[in-house]
Amino acid sequence: KQEVTQIPAALSVPEGENLVLNCSFTDSAIYNLQWFRQDPGKGLTSLLLIQSSQREQTSGRLNASLDKSSGRSTLYIAASQPGDSATYLCAAPNRDDKIIFGKGTRLHILP
Amino acid sequence: GAVVSQHPSWVICKSGTSVKIECRSLDFQATTMFWYRQFPKKSLMLMATSNEGSKATYEQGVEKDKFLINHASLTLSTLTVTSAHPEDSSFYICSARGGREEVFRETQYFGPGTRLLVL
Repeated sequence: KQEVTQIPAALSVPEGENLVLNCSFTDSAIYNLQWFRQDPGKGLTSLLLIQSSQREQTSGRLNASLDKSSGRSTLYIAASQPGDSATYLCAAPNRDDKIIFGKGTRLHILP
Repeated sequence: GAVVSQHPSWVICKSGTSVKIECRSLDFQATTMFWYRQFPKKSLMLMATSNEGSKATYEQGVEKDKFLINHASLTLSTLTVTSAHPEDSSFYICSARGGREEVFRETQYFGPGTRLLVL
């Protein structure tokens, strides 16, 4: 059974700092892993999709890594901005090809 | 990128009424659509999976007679909350997957969500 855990549950950092969000998953037989952003009361915005054959993906100030053997992924945000404040969700598929979401990390960037 | 829309974006209804939520894939054909439910400050929980032209598969604990799902075409799935009660108040999000191109087959594209408030 796939379980996705995200640490920390909440994080506050001053503007400009680099930060790392962590995600762990129990079943490493995944074909991809996704990171999403969710603003309060809004839907999901896909940030990065890492295929199982890849170790990382980059988009602008975001970099996501994937280590299947250890069941971990990290989302690195460089030079954080107040506009980065949101909840970040990690999601991995289970063996039935259904996406399992973590509970998210609520990020608050302090101006 | 693929676009998935939902309608309405929010709805308020009286207890006992039924509410229909639409999910549309705008620029690709979605062979599979998923419906999720999200409570405040909680993660998304998969409710059901629907494949075009066949009956939806519901997750354990989800009442199929309560949450009617129809996926009649490759671009539209509907979720009907029947005889809604206040405890059905939640954020409902759909996603779509499918199409000829590989990126559409593997990736789920999410709609903006529908907020339901049952009084």
